[in-house]
Amino acid sequence: QVQLQESGPGLVKPSQTLSLTCTVSGGSVSSGSYYWSWIRQPAGKGLEWIGRIFTSGSTNYNPSLKSRVTISVDTSKNQFSLRLSSVTAADTAVYYCARESRGYEGHNWFDPWGQGTLVTVSS
Amino acid sequence: DIQMTQSPSSLSASVGDRVTITCRASQSISSFLNWYQQKPGKAPKLLIYTASTLHSGVPSRFSGSGSGTDFTLTISSLQHEDFATYYCQQSYSTPTFGPGTKVDIK
Repeated sequence: QVQLQESGPGLVKPSQTLSLTCTVSGGSVSSGSYYWSWIRQPAGKGLEWIGRIFTSGSTNYNPSLKSRVTISVDTSKNQFSLRLSSVTAADTAVYYCARESRGYEGHNWFDPWGQGTLVTVSS
Repeated sequence: DIQMTQSPSSLSASVGDRVTITCRASQSISSFLNWYQQKPGKAPKLLIYTASTLHSGVPSRFSGSGSGTDFTLTISSLQHEDFATYYCQQSYSTPTFGPGTKVDIK
């Protein structure tokens, strides 16, 4: 079955750029049936959708983060990536990548998820 | 943004209890509503999509209902492995999640 695995630095300095990669196994990021999303969760708090990418490279971002987020896809490596610029302590969270199923008439859902990776923003 | 609320924020229950969690959207979202289960230190897992469709492999004691703005997740007979936090999520527009409902042992 499809598995997703996040990777990247666990510590980022304030004002710098957070960069994470999600490697997909058991499936292809080139599949037209899915989006590929990033979601984050600060410790002890709820879930926030960051954005998604389609195999074509088209993206959608959460308006609250749009000015700082870039999501890209590398089909040759079966990976997609997140860049979040100008980070502050408020960006400290567990970051998850997830496959988003494109259901009928826009009914989408997230499954599966990666295990998550903690990113701490601190000097 | 569509705001999602859940009630209660937490509940204590015993094995075998029937548990109901409510999710409300700030505007009508038809049936664009999903439910997830998250255990401590783990990623969320999909339970139900499009308000009432049980995801493959999810036990039949889980069920979902509702449309428009009001939705419920019901666990018909709580099992040990069901103690977790449950989140609703709308897919009508920019995805947003509810704040979660923590189910713990009475």
